[in-house]
Amino acid sequence: NAGVMQNPRHLVRRRGQEARLRCSPMKGHSHVYWYRQLPEEGLKFMVYLQKENIIDESGMPKERFSAEFPKEGPSILRIQQVVRGDSAAYFCASSSGLSNYGYTFGSGTRLTVV
Amino acid sequence: QQPVQSPQAVILREGEDAVINCSSSKALYSVHWYRQKHGEAPVFLMILLKGGEQKGHEKISASFNEKKQQSSLYLTASQLSYSGTYFCGTEEKAAGNKLTFGGGTRVLVKP
Repeated sequence: NAGVMQNPRHLVRRRGQEARLRCSPMKGHSHVYWYRQLPEEGLKFMVYLQKENIIDESGMPKERFSAEFPKEGPSILRIQQVVRGDSAAYFCASSSGLSNYGYTFGSGTRLTVV
Repeated sequence: QQPVQSPQAVILREGEDAVINCSSSKALYSVHWYRQKHGEAPVFLMILLKGGEQKGHEKISASFNEKKQQSSLYLTASQLSYSGTYFCGTEEKAAGNKLTFGGGTRVLVKP
C-alpha cells in the first residue's frame, strides 16, 4: 500500500509557464482533496473531487487554476500562467469518504515560481 | 471560515503536559487532528464524531464539545517526538465532506 503519491516533489517554473501537479490517491480511496500551504501557515482548502466529478471548488481561484480527477489516472491540479504568488506547497489528500476515517496526505509538491 | 486554534505556539520540557484548543463558529459534524513535522506531510492523529466524545492515541487524547463547537487536544507526558505543528480540521454540517483547517499550533518539546 503505497499511500498517496504526489509528483513531482519539487517544481520550478518561470513566470507565465504552466504547472501540472499530479496526485494518485491511496488504493480504495475515491475522494481527493487539494490544499495549499504557504511557509509557516495553515492548509487552505482548494478543491474536492471524486472520480470524474468536482464536488466543491469553493477554494479555487477563479482564473488560471483547474483540477480534474479522470476515470483513469491521477488527479491533476493545473496552474496556468504562473505568478510568483503561486509559490507554495500543494498537498493532496485522499479518503474513503466514510466516517471514522481521516485523510491521508501525500508528501506535497513544492512549487517555486522564478 | 477557518476554525481558531490557541495557543499559536507552546514550548514544553519533556514530560510536561499541554492543551491545544480549536474553536469554530459553525455547527460541526466532526473534528480531525493532524500533526505536521517540518517539511513533511500532515499525519492523521484522530477523528471525533460525536459531542462529548474523547479519543486517545498513545498519550495524546482529544475531546469534542459539539454544543460549543470546540475541541481540545491533550498532550500528556510529552515526548521529544511530539514536536511539530498540530492542526485541527473541522467538517461543517452544511459544507459536506471537506475539512477546513485551523492556523496550527507549533509545539516544541525540549529535553
